[in-house]
Amino acid sequence: SYELTQPPSVSVSPGQTARITCSGDALPKKYAYWYQQKSGQAPVLVIYEDSKRPSGIPERFSGSSSGTMATLTISGAQVEDEADYYCFSTDSSGDHGGVFGTGTKVTVL
Amino acid sequence: EVQLVQSGAEVKKPGESLKISCEGSDYSLTNYWIAWVRHMPGKGLQWMGIIYPGDSHTIYSPSFQGQVTISADKSISTAYLQWSSLKASDTAMYYCARSLDGGDRQNFDYWGQGTLVTVSS
Repeated sequence: SYELTQPPSVSVSPGQTARITCSGDALPKKYAYWYQQKSGQAPVLVIYEDSKRPSGIPERFSGSSSGTMATLTISGAQVEDEADYYCFSTDSSGDHGGVFGTGTKVTVL
Repeated sequence: EVQLVQSGAEVKKPGESLKISCEGSDYSLTNYWIAWVRHMPGKGLQWMGIIYPGDSHTIYSPSFQGQVTISADKSISTAYLQWSSLKASDTAMYYCARSLDGGDRQNFDYWGQGTLVTVSS
């Protein structure tokens, strides 16, 4: 089955830049989406279609994709950005089944 | 305000059946796809499947095909996730989420609050 691989954890100091990667064989052909999930809460969409930011999401969140890797960047990370982050995409089969990445715990301290 | 309102927490025994719900308010469920996502304790998110309530077209993850049933009743803007025989390993938080697209542009802009399912003897 299709897999999206992320690093388990990323640590960053407040004000610094955090980069979270997501690797998947179908990413050259499929969009990546990014979700933030804080403890005890439902996920929130922070990036869609590789690099677009939904209304209400701070500008410090940005996304990019090249080849088999998508990247979420938090520029000037804030303490409130501490959360689990998941990439999401679809596989290349005809049914477009969805797949979440393995998840990355971002610690800001 | 758009909301997805899920049914309350459930405590069940292994072998029991269960059906949980996700009701869309302030928008028509018919115009969007609804996905179900599992979040097991200490684990990552898992996409289970997605349904288009307008015609009940459903796509399952291979990992969940045959293990659960996803359905919808568009007349009451509600989607469902059901099990015929629960296992302890089904213990998890289950979220519903809506997407305008059910293909390769699945984009979950609104999520339910989650339904905690606990299966224990």
